[in-house]
Amino acid sequence: GEDVEQSLFLSVREGDSSVINCTYTDSSSTYLYWYKQEPGAGLQLLTYIFSNMDMKQDQRLTVLLNKKDKHLSLRIADTQTGDSAIYFCAEIQAAGNKLTFGGGTRVLVKP
Amino acid sequence: GAVVSQHPSWVICKSGTSVKIECRSLDFQATTMFWYRQFPKQSLMLMATSNEGSKATYEQGVEKDKFLINHASLTLSTLTVTSAHPEDSSFYICSAIQIAPNSPLHFGNGTRLTVT
Repeated sequence: GEDVEQSLFLSVREGDSSVINCTYTDSSSTYLYWYKQEPGAGLQLLTYIFSNMDMKQDQRLTVLLNKKDKHLSLRIADTQTGDSAIYFCAEIQAAGNKLTFGGGTRVLVKP
Repeated sequence: GAVVSQHPSWVICKSGTSVKIECRSLDFQATTMFWYRQFPKQSLMLMATSNEGSKATYEQGVEKDKFLINHASLTLSTLTVTSAHPEDSSFYICSAIQIAPNSPLHFGNGTRLTVT
């Protein structure tokens, strides 16, 4: 079955870069996503990458995908206090639209 | 961008009553919507896939008679928690996917249900 894993917690100083890592097991994954969840709120789509891409950059966000190792990362440049949240990676299989989520990484940005 | 509206954002109800949660795609059509449940400090658990005009597909372990799902139009799906009990208290989140190919899931802001 599918399995997506993330580290539980990341602490970073304001202004530094944050790197959140995710590993997955399903080699048929077609799209991989990063979502942000602030306390008491739903999920906000941050970015996503197709499985045939290695990297995608969108302003402060950089997604790196190593398909061979099934490793996905999200780098947030110049991390701000407003970036404190839980970040979920998720993957979707080639068949169907069902997302499989990682357990989420809680990012705490310290001033 | 694509917006998914979920209502209500929070609800408190008494044990034994039923609660309906609405999920609307505001600016796009969604043939498929998903309902998730999230316990504190945990990830999202997919409950069911809601398909417009047909019966929902429930994940293993989710009681279809307890969590009634209706997807009557391309922009609206509802989840009704019937005969709610305190253990049903949770954060429920819906998501919708556009008909356009390769579109990501967009999520509502969630509904916090508290059953007393």
